[in-house]
Amino acid sequence: DSGVTQTPKHLITATGQRVTLRCSPRSGDLSVYWYQQSLDQGLQFLIQYYNGEERAKGNILERFSAQQFPDLHSELNLSSLELGDSALYFCASSAWGSGSPLHFGNGTRLTVT
Amino acid sequence: GQQLNQSPQSMFIQEGEDVSMNCTSSSIFNTWLWYKQDPGEGPVLLIALYKAGELTSNGRLTAQFGITRKDSFLNISASIPSDVGIYFCAGQLGAGGTSYGKLTFGQGTILTVHP
Repeated sequence: DSGVTQTPKHLITATGQRVTLRCSPRSGDLSVYWYQQSLDQGLQFLIQYYNGEERAKGNILERFSAQQFPDLHSELNLSSLELGDSALYFCASSAWGSGSPLHFGNGTRLTVT
Repeated sequence: GQQLNQSPQSMFIQEGEDVSMNCTSSSIFNTWLWYKQDPGEGPVLLIALYKAGELTSNGRLTAQFGITRKDSFLNISASIPSDVGIYFCAGQLGAGGTSYGKLTFGQGTILTVHP
């Protein structure tokens, strides 16, 4: 058990809808990362937060947004969903903003129909 | 952007055999990490390497951080059936880089171990 908790485990929704994925980092970790994993793209970095502030952005679509709250949990919001957004979404946390290894949750499997 | 080339893409081996996989990058990383992912689960950290030339072991696993900081390898000795899974290398620029703590992942090596 990595200590990173993600909910829900599975999510099935229709195109055009909006969903929210939630992540609780390991106790004491200040940084949260979101990754998308699909068969053809592998693990792609979306966004990083450190102590409530956005730290780095990757290949995150404008339809997607995230935030980290004062209690350090994070939410990833996906809107105007398309079939191609179906993927595994992982949250990871690390102790600091850089130089410390990432520990991953078990992911949310999103299926858009 | 940065890309990691991980090879081989897949391996089919007999139980008891040793396994070797590697990762190369077009640019330098300050940290190399190796993860294993089982079906339906998130990547689990196996080994973290922080210095060029560093050789680190974790049980039957041994990994090295290349001298050029552009490559790393992972060896698994005396493989067992539970070694089955997908192994990912990942590079991290760390402090001083604009990408902070984010990881860039290789495409993964799918390992199958036949009893």
